[in-house]
Amino acid sequence: EVQLVESGGGLVKPGGSLRLSCAASGFTFSSYSMNWVRQAPGKGLEWVSSISSSSSYIYYADSVKGRFTISRDNAKNSLYLQMNSLRAEDTAVYYCARDLRYSSGWSLDYWGQGTLVTVSS
Amino acid sequence: SSELTQDPAVSVALGQTVRITCQGDSLRSYYASWYQQKPGQAPVLVIYGKNNRPSGIPDRFSGSSSGNTASLTITGAQAEDEADYYCNSRDSSGNHLNYVFGTGTKVTVL
Repeated sequence: EVQLVESGGGLVKPGGSLRLSCAASGFTFSSYSMNWVRQAPGKGLEWVSSISSSSSYIYYADSVKGRFTISRDNAKNSLYLQMNSLRAEDTAVYYCARDLRYSSGWSLDYWGQGTLVTVSS
Repeated sequence: SSELTQDPAVSVALGQTVRITCQGDSLRSYYASWYQQKPGQAPVLVIYGKNNRPSGIPDRFSGSSSGNTASLTITGAQAEDEADYYCNSRDSSGNHLNYVFGTGTKVTVL
């Protein structure tokens, strides 16, 4: 059974840093691209960042570029998101999601339960 | 970057059919996926590609697309289908391969 379990969320002051983790199990983690998606309270979904299976390709949303860093450790079946210079507008539930690459496109087929990040003084 | 637009809310009578639409330029190049999200839960993929359902998704969910519009249809809506639905697709408008999500549609089953 595919499982994605996020951790590392919490309360942080504006300008502070936080590192999120996502522990993967039930599939060959090193064969899949992975993503972070966030959802502000009462708002819609926002894609944050993607990383390819071997970390060769990394992409960020404009809203986090230069402040967030995605990484992975395939030996530990883990995905990370280092978040620096946090702002109030970064307050959200952060989900990790697995990339599904199929014949005619891409999708996000498995999601974790999310971890809440609150940026407030 | 591109945007995907959805109607904010729709309602459907129990057992009837409802169609949710998603419009955006990225849909001319990439298929949409659809996700169901119930309160306090993570999103669940219900449709991807031309019209593919992951294992465990009822066949009352179907997808279609034309031009810059993708649609999710629930045929014979059930009470448990009441949820928020989001479309998404790849987006290469910024010279990077990003994802973009729709604004979301709240489906109420009456």
